Amino acid sequence: GAVVSQHPSRVICKSGTSVKIECRSLDFQATTMFWYRQFPKQSLMLMATSNEGSKATYEQGVEKDKFLINHASLTLSTLTVTSAHPEDSSFYICSASEGTETQYFGPGTRLLVL
Amino acid sequence: AQSVTQLDSHVSVSEGTPVLLRCNYSSSYSPSLFWYVQHPNKGLQLLLKYTSAATLVKGINGFEAEFKKSETSFHLTKPSAHMSDAAEYFCVVRPLGAGNNRKLIWGLGTSLAVNP
Repeated sequence: GAVVSQHPSRVICKSGTSVKIECRSLDFQATTMFWYRQFPKQSLMLMATSNEGSKATYEQGVEKDKFLINHASLTLSTLTVTSAHPEDSSFYICSASEGTETQYFGPGTRLLVL
Repeated sequence: AQSVTQLDSHVSVSEGTPVLLRCNYSSSYSPSLFWYVQHPNKGLQLLLKYTSAATLVKGINGFEAEFKKSETSFHLTKPSAHMSDAAEYFCVVRPLGAGNNRKLIWGLGTSLAVNP
């Protein structure tokens, strides 16, 4: 149980284009979803927290107009990196919580912006 | 301020020998504590969690951790390392008493290598 998927697993895009990453809770309803970014050999950095049906709460220093988050249903959240640039290349990880304090993590999406 | 310190960035053990990954935390409130493991190209997996019940917590794959409030520690141990244990391990704290904020505080990770 408690499986979270992400799609795509990796994506390469040109600078200036937008990329959408999906995060799905497959066997439970996720009242809260989280988006993280992980740089090589580093820990996870929380980007934003989203509750189903409401606007995401972004962490300090994260541009909400650049990283658009939508949590339209209890099983799906999307992160759109708008006008991506090479410095946005990273490993993006989502997690989902069904109302308890445990977060279940997706396998991550590796983004490379050329 | 809350923080998590993983005392070793890299640990190397021989297969069949004990594993000790150290974690200290600082929290204003009684925290929940977690250990996650990240294998290459795989998602983060919850190994175990402490949520104010028994101080010795048993997790998956033979791992366990002991919450020691006096030492503000939550070290992860395993009696006998297996090759498949090689991975990155993260100690994570969620401060309680913080309302509905489920924000996790992450350690920098410990890379565990298991030598044959």
